[in-house]
Amino acid sequence: EAGVTQFPSHSVIEKGQTVTLRCDPISGHDNLYWYRRVMGKEIKFLLHFVKESKQDESGMPNNRFLAERTGGTYSTLKVQPAELEDSGVYFCASSQGGTGYREQYFGPGTRLTVT
Amino acid sequence: AQSVTQLDSQVPVFEEAPVELRCNYSSSVSVYLFWYVQYPNQGLQLLLKYLSGSTLVKGINGFEAEFNKSQTSFHLRKPSVHISDTAEYFCAVSDWVNTGFQKLVFGTGTRLLVSP
Repeated sequence: EAGVTQFPSHSVIEKGQTVTLRCDPISGHDNLYWYRRVMGKEIKFLLHFVKESKQDESGMPNNRFLAERTGGTYSTLKVQPAELEDSGVYFCASSQGGTGYREQYFGPGTRLTVT
Repeated sequence: AQSVTQLDSQVPVFEEAPVELRCNYSSSVSVYLFWYVQYPNQGLQLLLKYLSGSTLVKGINGFEAEFNKSQTSFHLRKPSVHISDTAEYFCAVSDWVNTGFQKLVFGTGTRLLVSP
């Protein structure tokens, strides 16, 4: 079974440009999460989808970030326009639906560098 | 609000020596506790978790952790480390909710450096 995949693995863009990160969850996983780690600090929650619906986007830094999950499959996270402080590693995770504890499986992350 | 503290940013240790990585958390409600490991160029992998029951939990690769509610700690231990244990370790907490999804709150990570 394929794990969570993320594309690209690394992106270098200039301040003011737009970047779109993609996450493909494990097939059949209803829950999809985005997290971010900035400059060796803690990994912080950004948002959570259940299928195609945003359940919790309390961690999104500002309106320059837009996440979508069309059809409840893959998800994209767009940053427009990018700022220097957006640099970091963006992780995606997915888990099965249903109640009770559901393990989150993480992708390898996308390292975003804004210059 | 929940928070996790990993006081040690880096822990150097010799191969076959024991190791303890410290984690303290704060939360006003019952919690789930986790340790994740990130090997170089890989994603986060669940090492072990505490959901309920026995306070001593065993994980993969010979690691174990003990939940101490009175000290709000969840320290990770291994009696004898290998070179291959060199990685970054993250402690995390989430609310105990029976909704099927949990927002993880992570610590800043501890780099374990195992040398021969």
